[in-house]
Amino acid sequence: EAGVAQSPRYKIIEKRQSVAFWCNPISGHATLYWYQQILGQGPKLLIQFQNNGVVDDSQLPKDRFSAERLKGVDSTLKIQPAKLEDSAVYLCASSLGTEITDTQYFGPGTRLTVL
Amino acid sequence: KQEVTQIPAALSVPEGENLVLNCSFTDSAIYNLQWFRQDPGKGLTSLLLIQSSQREQTSGRLNASLDKSSGRSTLYIAASQPGDSATYLCAVAHQTGANNLFFGTGTRLTVIP
Repeated sequence: EAGVAQSPRYKIIEKRQSVAFWCNPISGHATLYWYQQILGQGPKLLIQFQNNGVVDDSQLPKDRFSAERLKGVDSTLKIQPAKLEDSAVYLCASSLGTEITDTQYFGPGTRLTVL
Repeated sequence: KQEVTQIPAALSVPEGENLVLNCSFTDSAIYNLQWFRQDPGKGLTSLLLIQSSQREQTSGRLNASLDKSSGRSTLYIAASQPGDSATYLCAVAHQTGANNLFFGTGTRLTVIP
C-alpha cells in the first residue's frame, strides 16, 4: 500500500515570496491533515479536512496561509507572503475518517527555509 | 489548552543500555497517547498506542506506560541499538472533538556504538 506522498521535499525561498506544497493521501482516506513542525518543536495541526470540507482550521494563520482539497483527494497548502518564522517542516497525514480511533499516517514532509 | 512536554530534549547512551524517555501532559481528559519515532527526512512512524483505560503497552524492546491521573507517560527502550537513534515524540488525543493530536517537543536519542 502506497503511503502519503508529499512534494517538494525541500524548498528555499526569500521572505515575501509565495510557496505551495502538495499532498497525496493514502487511497481511500477521507481525512487529511496539515501539520507545521518548527525546528525543536513537535508538530502543530494547521488544518484538517474531511473529504473536501474543513473540520478544523483554528490554528491556521489565515492572513497568509491557505489550503484546499477541491476533489476530496489531493491537497495543496499555500503560504503568501512567506515570513522568516514560517521556516519549518510541513507534514501531511491522512486517516480513514475523523474517528478518534482512526490511525494517522504521515508523509515525509516538506522542509521550507525562508531567507 | 493541552500542553505536552518531553524530557530530556536530547539523550546520548552507549549501545546496550536501557533507557527511559518521559512525557507529561496537562489535561488528563485524553482518549489515548501515542509514541512516534521520527527519522531525519522521514515522516512519523507510530510505535505504540495506549488507550486511556490501559496502563502499558509493549512491542518488542519497547514498553510504554501511562498514568493518566498524574499526566505522565514513559517509553522504556531495552538493550538500545544504534538503529534506535531518532527523535521520539509523544502525542495525546483528547476525549472529545475531532481526531486532533497534541504533540510533545520530542527527545532526540543517539545510541553510540
